[in-house]
Amino acid sequence: SAVISQKPSRDICQRGTSLTIQCQVDSQVTMMFWYRQQPGQSLTLIATANQGSEATYESGFVIDKFPISRPNLTFSTLTVSNMSPEDSSIYLCSARTANYGYTFGSGTRLTVV
Amino acid sequence: QQQVKQSPQSLIVQKGGIPIINCAYENTAFDYFPWYQQFPGKGPALLIAIRPDVSEKKEGRFTISFNKSAKQFSLHIMDSQPGDSATYFCAAGEGYQKVTFGIGTKLQVIP
Repeated sequence: SAVISQKPSRDICQRGTSLTIQCQVDSQVTMMFWYRQQPGQSLTLIATANQGSEATYESGFVIDKFPISRPNLTFSTLTVSNMSPEDSSIYLCSARTANYGYTFGSGTRLTVV
Repeated sequence: QQQVKQSPQSLIVQKGGIPIINCAYENTAFDYFPWYQQFPGKGPALLIAIRPDVSEKKEGRFTISFNKSAKQFSLHIMDSQPGDSATYFCAAGEGYQKVTFGIGTKLQVIP
């Protein structure tokens, strides 16, 4: 099955700073997805990232807070900007590949202090 | 509007029992129905998935039953083990579009 490498796996950050999360897929994919999962909750889609175009954000999420890059068909980054304790969550990237359905990275556990 | 409704939210069974988790969807354009298993501190891992042209799919101890006319699908775990204790998410996807997740079911299998 497709493999997504996500890093960092966890981080503790000071409020007001930014963190960039990276995801690398071992095969080319058209779209990558970024999710947030708050403790004990389901997954909420932040945005969809297509290569060569701006990301599409879901309601409640804005580019200034969660800028996304998608420089090629195997890589994407999500930045959590100007962090506050409310941003403490698990952030997950995902991609759908032709044969293996949707695959997720292992997640980034972010704590903002 | 919750497009994928999942129940129950929590489930406790004894070892060897058969927990059943149910999901219902509304969007008839969905063409892919995966189940994910998530352990604490880990990302969701694809467990098993089904397409709407199939009524049942088995992989090891995990079985998906799919009822297209009722727009419902369920996960059965045969001979459940304490190691199966995790949170299970059903989901639905359309083409290469985003996957919509259910709320999750926290399963506990007691020895």
